[in-house]
Amino acid sequence: DIQMTQSPSSLSASIGDRVTITCRAGQSIDNYLNWYQQKPGKAPKLLISDASNLQGGVPSRFSGSASGTDFFTLTISSLQAEDFAIYYCQQSYTIPTFGQGTKLEIK
Amino acid sequence: EVQLVESGGGLVQPGGSLRLSCATSGFTFSNYGLGWVRQAPGKGLEWVSTFSTRTYYADSVKGRFTISRDSSKNTLSLQLNNLRAEDTAVYYCARYQNTVTSIFDYWGQGTLVTVSS
Repeated sequence: DIQMTQSPSSLSASIGDRVTITCRAGQSIDNYLNWYQQKPGKAPKLLISDASNLQGGVPSRFSGSASGTDFFTLTISSLQAEDFAIYYCQQSYTIPTFGQGTKLEIK
Repeated sequence: EVQLVESGGGLVQPGGSLRLSCATSGFTFSNYGLGWVRQAPGKGLEWVSTFSTRTYYADSVKGRFTISRDSSKNTLSLQLNNLRAEDTAVYYCARYQNTVTSIFDYWGQGTLVTVSS
């Protein structure tokens, strides 16, 4: 199985901040990397697929990028109140595996 | 509107069995892969099983869980046997964005399975 490592595990930020969450794959996964947002008591929501493909209805302040084929970044350009949640990366190169999650909290 | 609705969770003793169901609507069932993802209390997401062009299982459940789908009822099922305490989790049914690529674009609300004596 491909291990996915997110950083940081938790993050405190303020409304309006620019936030970056990273995800490193244990091997090359091309661009088969997806990002999900999960709020308490709710199912995960797909934000970005294939490293940088923003899903319909997802605000444009969210973006994804890749550096090479094993290092990926989720950026929120200007945090809004509704963005405080847990974010997961997931590879779809092989049998799916998720990162451990990054909890984004209000400072 | 795409909908996935899980049912069948509950409290079961170690070694027991449970059958989860996921009723789907709003899309052509046969055109998409479907899977189960679980989340233990306070923990992260763990993929469990997929039914796309074939079936796949996580090593942690292989030989104990069986995934199936009924195209006549647009329903995905997961039979859970020989349950262990570590199987306690919310089980989500999720749709693949296409037939084979494991991008989970729609999720159900989840059903809680608790394994305890």
